[in-house]
Amino acid sequence: EAGVAQSPRYKIIEKRQSVAFWCNPISGHATLYWYQQILGQGPKLLIQFQNNGVVDDSQLPKDRFSAERLKGVDSTLKIQPAKLEDSAVYLCASSLRGSTDTQYFGPGTRLTVL
Amino acid sequence: AQTVTQSQPEMSVQEAETVTLSCTYDTSENNYYLFWYKQPPSRQMILVIRQEAYKQQNATENRFSVNFQKAAKSFSLKISDSQLGDTAMYFCAFEDYKLSFGAGTTVTVRA
Repeated sequence: EAGVAQSPRYKIIEKRQSVAFWCNPISGHATLYWYQQILGQGPKLLIQFQNNGVVDDSQLPKDRFSAERLKGVDSTLKIQPAKLEDSAVYLCASSLRGSTDTQYFGPGTRLTVL
Repeated sequence: AQTVTQSQPEMSVQEAETVTLSCTYDTSENNYYLFWYKQPPSRQMILVIRQEAYKQQNATENRFSVNFQKAAKSFSLKISDSQLGDTAMYFCAFEDYKLSFGAGTTVTVRA
């Protein structure tokens, strides 16, 4: 069974530029999550989708971050414009049904903002 | 808001020995789930063990076991017969309607 796929694996940009990350969850998983993991900290949930609807985006900085889940499968997370403090690893995860199910994580995208 | 506290930033253990990682959490909920996730240096997070709060029996997965103390809001992880491949960051996580992670404990297994 293929796992959660993410691309790119690494990205370096300058502040005020924009960047987009892509995630393909495990086939058949209804719920998709985006996490931000700053170095030395645990992941923080940014947004949770159930199929193609948003369940929780309370910690998403909506003035600069946006996310969508096309047709309830793939998802993209965008940052525009980026700030220095956005440097982090962005993790995508998926689960079969809801958030009480085991989440399976992708390898992450390491973003460096200069 | 739920909080998860891991008080040990780093732990070191000799191969084949046992190490215990501590985790406490704060919640007013009665039904919830607790997890330990492992994040090796390659950074892909994987589930180690899961515990439902309504189950009194402690979960076990091979060399990994938990000590779940609901009244004390404590959820420790014991790694028995430690192996070099256990070297990783370990995160305790609490879930009722969303997953909240602790800050993590770095475990280093020495040969």
